[in-house]
Amino acid sequence: GEDVEQSLFLSVREGDSSVINCTYTDSSSTYLYWYKQEPGAGLQLLTYIFSNMDMKQDQRLTVLLNKKDKHLSLRIADTQTGDSAIYFCAQGDSGNTGKLIFGQGTTLQVKP
Amino acid sequence: DADVTQTPRNRITKTGKRIMLECSQTKGHDRMYWYRQDPGLGLRLIYYSFDVKDINKGEISDGYSVSRQAQAKFSLSLESAIPNQTALYFCATSDGPTEAFFGQGTRLTVV
Repeated sequence: GEDVEQSLFLSVREGDSSVINCTYTDSSSTYLYWYKQEPGAGLQLLTYIFSNMDMKQDQRLTVLLNKKDKHLSLRIADTQTGDSAIYFCAQGDSGNTGKLIFGQGTTLQVKP
Repeated sequence: DADVTQTPRNRITKTGKRIMLECSQTKGHDRMYWYRQDPGLGLRLIYYSFDVKDINKGEISDGYSVSRQAQAKFSLSLESAIPNQTALYFCATSDGPTEAFFGQGTRLTVV
C-alpha cells in the first residue's frame, strides 16, 4: 500500500539551514505536502507542491520534488527557534479527495 | 474563533465505555476527516465524509464509528473503548486537495 517515510529527528543551530527529507511510494499522487505541528496544536499547512513541479519556493521555504526517486525535501533557510516543531510530509491520494497519507513526522530542534 | 473546534480537548475514560468526540467547523467545507496520531506513526485516517450522506471508512476504522449531523459537524465514537485507542485524535476539513484545516486535537486516554 501507500507509504510515506521520514527520519524522526533533526537538530540544527539557529541561523543554519534545515533540510527535512521524505520518501513516498504512490507515484500517482497529484499533490505532496508539508505540514507543521507546534506543541499542543493541530497541524498547519506550510506548503504543497503539484506533482508536475520540481521545485517550489516560498520565502524561507524551498520544496524539492524528485519524482523519479519519489523523494521530497523541505529546506528552511535561516532556521529560527520558532521553527522548532514536528514537520509532516504527506501525499494526497490519486483521486484528489483530500485524504492524506502522512509520514511519521520529523521533530526539528533548533538550538540557540 | 478557531476554524475547526474539537471537544473535549482531553478525556480519560475506562475500558469498555462508550465515548464521543465532537468536531465542528466554520469553513463551510463539505469534506471532513478524522485522523489518529500515535508517536512515531504520524497520522492515520479513521473515517472521512464528503457530505452529510457520504461517509467512508479510512485506513483504521475498526472499533470506531462516525456521524455527520450537518455540514459543519462530524462526530467520532468509540463504542467500547480499549487501551490501544489511547491517542491524539484530529478532525480536519477541506474543500479540495490543496489544504486541510485541522482542529487542535483531542487527547484520549483509555485506562
